[in-house]
This record gives sequence, C-alpha cells and structure tokens, in this order.
Amino acid sequence: SAVISQKPSRDICQRGTSLTIQCQVDSQVTMMFWYRQQPGQSLTLIATANQGSEATYESGFVIDKFPISRPNLTFSTLTVSNMSPEDSSIYLCSTRHGAGGATEAFFGQGTRLTVV
Amino acid sequence: AQSVAQPEDQVNVAEGNPLTVKCTYSVSGNPYLFWYVQYPNRGLQFLLKYITGDNLVKGSYGFEAEFNKSQTSFHLKKPSALVSDSALYFCAVRDHQAGTALIFGKGTTLSVSS
Repeated sequence: SAVISQKPSRDICQRGTSLTIQCQVDSQVTMMFWYRQQPGQSLTLIATANQGSEATYESGFVIDKFPISRPNLTFSTLTVSNMSPEDSSIYLCSTRHGAGGATEAFFGQGTRLTVV
Repeated sequence: AQSVAQPEDQVNVAEGNPLTVKCTYSVSGNPYLFWYVQYPNRGLQFLLKYITGDNLVKGSYGFEAEFNKSQTSFHLKKPSALVSDSALYFCAVRDHQAGTALIFGKGTTLSVSS
C-alpha cells in the first residue's frame, strides 16, 4: 500500500485567487493522478502526472487553470488558478504501485475547497 | 470509451440483512474492476478488485463482489449489513488495454438502519 498525505485538508478562498494543493507519498511512485469530486458527484480525472514529463490533462481541463508540478517520485502539486465558485470541490490525489493495470489505487484524504 | 454505471443513488437496508450495491461497466477489452468506500470527510478506501479468475471476489470488512461477464456487472454484496457500513460506495474500472487511471461510477450511498 501507499500512504498519501495531502494538504491543506480544507480551505476557503476568495474568487480570483489561486490555491496550491500538495500531495506527498511515502514511497516512490511513477504515476500520480489528480481527481475532482464536485458536490454530490463522482470522481473526475483532471490529469496524470508522471515525473520527468508534462502532465497529461483530460478533456475539459487545461494547464493554465490547473497547473501541476511533479518534481520527484514522491511529490506533486496541483494549483487551482483564478478560482470561481464553480471550482468548489474536493480535490484528491492518487497513486498506485507498478505500471500494470491490476494494481489498486490509493488516495489522499482530499482537499475540500470552497470558493466564495 | 470506458464507463461505469451505478444505477442507484441510494440503497437502504436494515442491519443484519444482506445488501447489494449494483455496478455495470463498459470497456473495449477485458476489465479490471474495483470497489472503493468513502466515509464522510475521508479519502477513498480500497475494498476489493477483480482481475481474473474466480468470479466471486472477497474483500475487506466482509464485502464480496461477483463478476458477471455476460451481464457486464460487478455487484458489491455483503451477507449481513452493519450500521457502520453506511457510507458512499464507488465502483471503478480500468481497461486492460488502455489507460492507467481509474474511471469511477457516480457512487451509491448505502444507509444501514438499526
């Protein structure tokens, strides 16, 4: 398994500002994933972040709005830029060991973001 | 494209009764299937997975799930529900052939009454 520490756990932010969410894994991992969980909704994949390469964004998500860093094999950040109330969500980072598809994913506790 | 459907927003059962949370999937190839549980204000916890082999998979906390290829289903079950099982349950899929991230269903809230 992997232990993922995510911070902040929650924040209330003013519209127009930016928030950076940090994700620390207790072991080296190749892939890290960022998800968004809007109120009452499922998890939607924002992007995949591999160390040493640019993050790959899913349809509907762009780097200018959600820049991601992956400086090493245990750490990643997601920034929510120029926030609006529609960005109010839970943001979760995730990872898994190995490249094979059979391995389960592990999740951080999530960051509950409220934009006012 | 991969997708997961959880047809029920909420499932209500009495403590001690069996429970089923439904999940159907769509993938182009063979699937890897997962169930996760989310308690309030907490992250997702892995319950169980189907990779290959026996269609009945056993997982954490007494949960099990049955893979049915012909019906493209992976329903979560437990013989005797506990009040502490009340939570939000997510089914997820990953295609053998494509992609590395999980695709999630919309979630089903399980409410177990005493």
